[in-house]
Amino acid sequence: GENVEQHPSTLSVQEGDSAVIKCTYSDSASNYFPWYKQELGKGPQLIIDIRSNVGEKKDQRIAVTLNKTAKHFSLHITETQPEDSAVYFCAAPAGGSYIPTFGRGTSLIVHP
Amino acid sequence: DGGITQSPKYLFRKEGQNVTLSCEQNLNHDAMYWYRQDPGQGLRLIYYSQIVNDFQKGDIAEGYSVSREKKESFPLTVTSAQKNPTAFYLCASSPTSNTIYFGEGSWLTVV
Repeated sequence: GENVEQHPSTLSVQEGDSAVIKCTYSDSASNYFPWYKQELGKGPQLIIDIRSNVGEKKDQRIAVTLNKTAKHFSLHITETQPEDSAVYFCAAPAGGSYIPTFGRGTSLIVHP
Repeated sequence: DGGITQSPKYLFRKEGQNVTLSCEQNLNHDAMYWYRQDPGQGLRLIYYSQIVNDFQKGDIAEGYSVSREKKESFPLTVTSAQKNPTAFYLCASSPTSNTIYFGEGSWLTVV
C-alpha cells in the first residue's frame, strides 16, 4: 500500500510570510496528489490538487509542486493571512487505486 | 445546494449501545467513504463503497458496520464492539475520479 509522510507537524509563521509543507510518498505509480484544508470542527476542504503529468500548479496564493523522481510534493502558501490558520493534509492514492492515503496533517498558525 | 450532509453533528452514546451516523449526498457520486479522525491524528479509513449494495473494509473496520442500499446514502453504525469510539467521524464521496469531497463531520462521545 501507499505510505505518505508529511512534515512539519506544526508550522508557525508571521502574517505575510510564506509557508511550505512537504509530503513524501512511497508508491511510484501514484498519479494524483490533493491537498486539503481543515478548519476547527469542520470537514476537510480540497484546496488544490496536481496530477503526475505536471510539475507545478498555482491558484492565487497557493501552489503545489511535484517531484516524481524524488517522490515528494509540496504545498506553498505565499503572503499568509490569519485566515490561512488551519490543519493541512496531503494525500496520495496507491497506484491502481483511487482511495487516498492521507498524511498526518500540518497545523499552520499565522500570527497577525 | 449540492453537497454531503452528515447528521447528527454531535452524538453521545452510553457504553454498550450501538449508534448510527447518517450520511447523505446529492452529488450523484458513485463512491462513498467513512473516515475516523482522532485529535492530532490523520484520517483513517473505516469503510468504503464503490457502488450500491457493495462495500469494502478499510484499515480500521472492526467494531463498525455500514450499508449502501441507495446511491445517495451510506450510514455508519458504531457497535458496542468498538472499544474506543469517541472520535470525529467524516463521511466523503467521490465520482469516478480520485477527488474526494468531505462532509462537515459528526462528533461521537461515549459517556
